Amino acid sequence: AQRVTQPEKLLSVFKGAPVELKCNYSYSGSPELFWYVQYSRQRLQLLLRHISRESIKGFTADLNKGETSFHLKKPFAQEEDSAMYYCALRYNTDKLIFGTGTRLQVFP
Amino acid sequence: DTGVSQDPRHKITKRGQNVTFRCDPISEHNRLYWYRQTLGQGPEFLTYFQNEAQLEKSRLLSDRFSAERPKGSFSTLEIQRTEQGDSAMYLCASSLAGDTQYFGPGTRLTVL
Repeated sequence: AQRVTQPEKLLSVFKGAPVELKCNYSYSGSPELFWYVQYSRQRLQLLLRHISRESIKGFTADLNKGETSFHLKKPFAQEEDSAMYYCALRYNTDKLIFGTGTRLQVFP
Repeated sequence: DTGVSQDPRHKITKRGQNVTFRCDPISEHNRLYWYRQTLGQGPEFLTYFQNEAQLEKSRLLSDRFSAERPKGSFSTLEIQRTEQGDSAMYLCASSLAGDTQYFGPGTRLTVL
């Protein structure tokens, strides 16, 4: 079955430190991967998608089909990056399969 | 257009009661999705529509759940005979086919 795994529930770093939020997926075909973010008291919103290959707010993510991973990275974390991050997979149909999320805390 | 809207934002009900939630998508979006999110979990897909046609339903959607999108615009999700296990955040999203899904603020249901 298709699954998205985010192994860390909580990731805490200091401002300026590098960040890597891990995401692994299980799917034998060619999936489409996304990162969604939810800031405090805000709705879930798209951060980036792998087909765009763009950097948003300094975040990047590369799809590694060999390792079935789509880790989210940022070289220098900012306090405003503190939020809940969800990795999601879309395949065949249009529905999204989400991981359980990782809470990123960036301390000053 | 301020994005996807959902009503109500919070609903408290007693076990056994029926509840109905409404979602208004972004106006030009032909696809509308419902997800459910419980504490500590990511959103789980329930069902989705293209225009007024319901294209897919998750096995999570028991017979007590029904969703409609009668005119291909807003959608309603009804839960009959609510149970405590139905307590969750119910999220609606909309998109153009194959494009980014935009989420609403959610309706938080508490079943006492």
